[in-house]
Amino acid sequence: NAGVTQTPKFQVLKTGQSMTLQCAQDMNHEYMSWYRQDPGMGLRLIHYSVGAGITDQGEVPNGYNVSRSTTEDFPLRLLSAAPSQTSVYFCASSYSIGAGGNTEAFFGQGTRLTVV
Amino acid sequence: AQSVTQLGSHVSVSEGALVLLRCNYSSSVPPYLFWYVQYPNQGLQLLLKYTTGATLVKGINGFEAEFKKSETSFHLTKPSAHMSDAAEYFCASRTDTGRRALTFGSGTRLQVQP
Repeated sequence: NAGVTQTPKFQVLKTGQSMTLQCAQDMNHEYMSWYRQDPGMGLRLIHYSVGAGITDQGEVPNGYNVSRSTTEDFPLRLLSAAPSQTSVYFCASSYSIGAGGNTEAFFGQGTRLTVV
Repeated sequence: AQSVTQLGSHVSVSEGALVLLRCNYSSSVPPYLFWYVQYPNQGLQLLLKYTTGATLVKGINGFEAEFKKSETSFHLTKPSAHMSDAAEYFCASRTDTGRRALTFGSGTRLQVQP
């Protein structure tokens, strides 16, 4: 099993450009989410999905879009990149609520994004 | 809304010394609690997770955490630090609302001195 795979690992964007961060998992997890990690702030939830076709906003959704057409994939789109979106982005997946509240999340290796 | 507080953004210990990383949660209902570790330029790896009814939870790499409801704490400890323990540690919580999202603390960077 590859687990959670994120691409690319590094990306530099110019202000105003758009791009998609890819995330794929091969564990048949229903729940997937995107976090951003900034120094001293831990990880903050951007968007999440409880299953194919269902997405919702997290704590810091502005400037990002998501869709979930399959169980495996959960791409994150930056519509018009801004320097404030410079961060490390992590995708995570876990089993659904039926698996119990203490089911852990599995994380990808992260995408380091710089917006200049 | 639930929150997680990690006291101390940086902790430095000598090799062989006790490691203590602090985590307090704020929730009227004890949440599900986790500790994750992040090595440089890597993703987050689960160290341990709280199991309902337990007070002491054992994890990987010799780490353990004690749940104290009266103090709303879930501190992480290791009796003897190793150089390979140098990393950033995150405490996280989830309340049983049906959402899978985790709420993270701000992280504690552990430095181990030779």
